[in-house]
Amino acid sequence: GQNIDQPTEMTATEGAIVQINCTYQTSGFNGLFWYQQHAGEAPTFLSYNVLDGLEEKGRFSSFLSRSKGYSYLLLKELQMKDSASYLCAAYNQGGKLIFGQGTELSVKP
Amino acid sequence: GAVVSQHPSWVICKSGTSVKIECRSLDFQATTMFWYRQFPKQSLMLMATSNEGSKATYEQGVEKDKFLINHASLTLSTLTVTSAHPEDSSFYICSASGTGKDTQYFGPGTRLTVL
Repeated sequence: GQNIDQPTEMTATEGAIVQINCTYQTSGFNGLFWYQQHAGEAPTFLSYNVLDGLEEKGRFSSFLSRSKGYSYLLLKELQMKDSASYLCAAYNQGGKLIFGQGTELSVKP
Repeated sequence: GAVVSQHPSWVICKSGTSVKIECRSLDFQATTMFWYRQFPKQSLMLMATSNEGSKATYEQGVEKDKFLINHASLTLSTLTVTSAHPEDSSFYICSASGTGKDTQYFGPGTRLTVL
């Protein structure tokens, strides 16, 4: 079967660092996407990891371990505008995205 | 680059009517377009995948006669919800990817409310 797990919600303080974890089980795995989604809006692309390791892009970094079926999204220097839902999605060889339930991040002052 | 638009942004219709939603890739050619549905507080569920010029591939449990998908050109796909019912009320989101590209770019979504 296919399964993507991530925490339902997290809370962090402005200026802090937060790590959102994602574990996946899917056949024909090709890579792992992270998207950000604000309420009532469509997801926006954050990162795509194909190979193991850490990829850094400004305040956001994403890590992948294919052998462990594990990824995380790291957000540094949190800002209020980072409050959103963060979606982990496994990309399989069929060209499909299998989404997790999303992690609702609340950034507090 | 990689902008996807959807129209309309929101629509309210009466039960039994049909609604058409358009998805356009504005600055790239989308060989593949995807249609998702998202209920409140839930994640995106893939409904169907469409490639330009061919029939859409529907996910298990999605009625192809109810959700008609047409991908007539490399920049336009349409989803028609036929004989809509209140349980079809949802947030419908399309995404598009270019030839040989893995990344899907999402449209802004269409909020459908069926009364």
